[in-house]
Amino acid sequence: EAGVAQSPRYKIIEKRQSVAFWCNPISGHATLYWYQQILGQGPKLLIQFQNNGVVDDSQLPKDRFSAERLKGVDSTLKIQPAKLEDSAVYLCASSLRTTDTEAFFGQGTRLTVV
Amino acid sequence: QKEVEQDPGPLSVPEGAIVSLNCTYSNSAFQYFMWYRQYSRKGPELLMYTYSSGNKEDGRFTAQVDKSSKYISLFIRDSQPSDSATYLCAMRYTGTASKLTFGTGTRLQVTL
Repeated sequence: EAGVAQSPRYKIIEKRQSVAFWCNPISGHATLYWYQQILGQGPKLLIQFQNNGVVDDSQLPKDRFSAERLKGVDSTLKIQPAKLEDSAVYLCASSLRTTDTEAFFGQGTRLTVV
Repeated sequence: QKEVEQDPGPLSVPEGAIVSLNCTYSNSAFQYFMWYRQYSRKGPELLMYTYSSGNKEDGRFTAQVDKSSKYISLFIRDSQPSDSATYLCAMRYTGTASKLTFGTGTRLQVTL
């Protein structure tokens, strides 16, 4: 079974530029999550989708972050404009259902804002 | 005060040692308790989960939850160099969407 795929693996941008990350969840998984993991911290949930609807985006900085999940499969997370404090690893995860205990994580995209 | 507290380490132990990793939490509404392992430059992977209080064993790993003390532990017996990773505790409420609240992670190094 293929895992959660993310791209790119690494990205370096200057502050105020925009950037987008892509995620392809495990086939058949209805729930998709984007987490932000700052160095030395645990992952923090940014947004959760159930199919193509948003379940929780309470911790998403909506003035600069946006995410979509078209057709309930792939998802993109965008940052515009980026700030230095956005430097982090962005992890995508998926699970079969919202109530599942186990979420499967991708390898993440490491973003450095300079 | 953070909802979930975890000592970041690093923790260095010799091969074969018993490792104890711990988290404390403040919200008594948490019902599901998990331990994730994260290797360097990889995403977290679920090791074990426990519902409510009690113990759960899986091979060399034992998870304990003490809800009265708001304290959870992960024990690793006969630790191996391949156990070297960051261990993240995570927890969530019951009956809601699977929003996990993570600890900061403890970095473990098992030396030969």
